[in-house]
Amino acid sequence: EAQVTQNPRYLITVTGKKLTVTCSQNMNHEYMSWYRQDPGLGLRQIYYSMNVEVTDKGDVPEGYKVSRKEKRNFPLILESPSPNQTSLYFCANSPGTSGFYEQYFGPGTRLTVT
Amino acid sequence: GIQVEQSPPDLILQEGANSTLRCNFSDSVNNLQWFHQNPWGQLINLFYIPSGTKQNGRLSATTVATERYSLLYISSSQTTDSGVYFCAVLPFSVLTGGGNKLTFGTGTQLKVEL
Repeated sequence: EAQVTQNPRYLITVTGKKLTVTCSQNMNHEYMSWYRQDPGLGLRQIYYSMNVEVTDKGDVPEGYKVSRKEKRNFPLILESPSPNQTSLYFCANSPGTSGFYEQYFGPGTRLTVT
Repeated sequence: GIQVEQSPPDLILQEGANSTLRCNFSDSVNNLQWFHQNPWGQLINLFYIPSGTKQNGRLSATTVATERYSLLYISSSQTTDSGVYFCAVLPFSVLTGGGNKLTFGTGTQLKVEL
């Protein structure tokens, strides 16, 4: 079954404690990206990756890092989380990088930073 | 950047009623998707429909790309249809160096009552 998994699904943490949100897809898709969703601001892209070892900034990359060492995985790293990173995070992917493909979203990770 | 407007912003229906949700966008697009965000926050793909008409059970969608709008039809609504419906687009102008970022509308909040 084709799926996108994110872990953890829910996390409450404290300011400054490094964390990683994992994203894994079994669809052999080239393109992956991360979004955050906030009330009143909608969904905003954080980072994206067109292929293994190719990543680039989206609209709101500050405070985040990503890596793409394998095609299936695209972890989101918060080196020193702050309360303004409290949000609902989604990993997305699509088969190709041309923009003419449907994008699929993971189940979401609800992060609270106190 | 591209503007995406959805209407109505809120909608309350009795179970069994039909409804039409609208998405207007301000520029040419090569990707248009409809999503349902359920009460648990998950984004469920409904349609990938940059043009034309598609149907899936009680749901159908039509995009008239030349007139820059899309419609989502929900027939015989059920309580499980409750949630927020998003239209998301990827404009042609984003194809080069734009990270395939989807721009989401503000959504239609739907509540279906017994």
